[in-house]
Amino acid sequence: AQSVTQLGSHVSVSEGALVLLRCNYSSSVPPYLFWYVQYPNQGLQLLLKYTSAATLVKGINGFEAEFKKSETSFHLTKPSAHMSDAAEYFCAVRYAGNMLTFGGGTRLMVKP
Amino acid sequence: DGGITQSPKYLFRKEGQNVTLSCEQNLNHDAMYWYRQDPGQGLRLIYYSQIVNDFQKGDIAEGYSVSREKKESFPLTVTSAQKNPTAFYLCASSITWSSGNTIYFGEGSWLTVV
Repeated sequence: AQSVTQLGSHVSVSEGALVLLRCNYSSSVPPYLFWYVQYPNQGLQLLLKYTSAATLVKGINGFEAEFKKSETSFHLTKPSAHMSDAAEYFCAVRYAGNMLTFGGGTRLMVKP
Repeated sequence: DGGITQSPKYLFRKEGQNVTLSCEQNLNHDAMYWYRQDPGQGLRLIYYSQIVNDFQKGDIAEGYSVSREKKESFPLTVTSAQKNPTAFYLCASSITWSSGNTIYFGEGSWLTVV
């Protein structure tokens, strides 16, 4: 069965520091991978997605993620955190013929 | 503007009562989904529909029911059989059911049992 693991349910960074949110998926078959962001009491907004076109994917708000098949990872990064980045981030994986499966989420806190 | 509209935003249910959450999309998407989110947890799939007049159970369908009579509408009924319905419910849609398509989400509805 497909699964996705987000390491760290809470991550705290200082404003201006590097953001690194970790995501690992389980399968030898290349999946479709997604990162979503959720602000309090709101729905999910797509940050970026990987569909095998390029291993380094750039998304909105300065975020990017790199697909590493050898590590089965799709970590999300941003060079410089902003206060407005504070939110819950979800990694999700989907394989052909299957449904979207979400990780448990990582809450990002940004300290001034 | 195109998007997914969920209503109501907040809903309170009494014990033994059925309630229906509305979901409407004007994106002309074929596929629609309902997810449940519990505080501090990820999303779990309740039901999905690939096309009008068809729907399938997801991972946690017990105590829920849906209909898909129109392409733009996918209401979710939380029945009295759902023993722990307090949660945040998210409706979503995608162009088709194909795996590479982006799934877009509505703003969500809070359901609380009183």
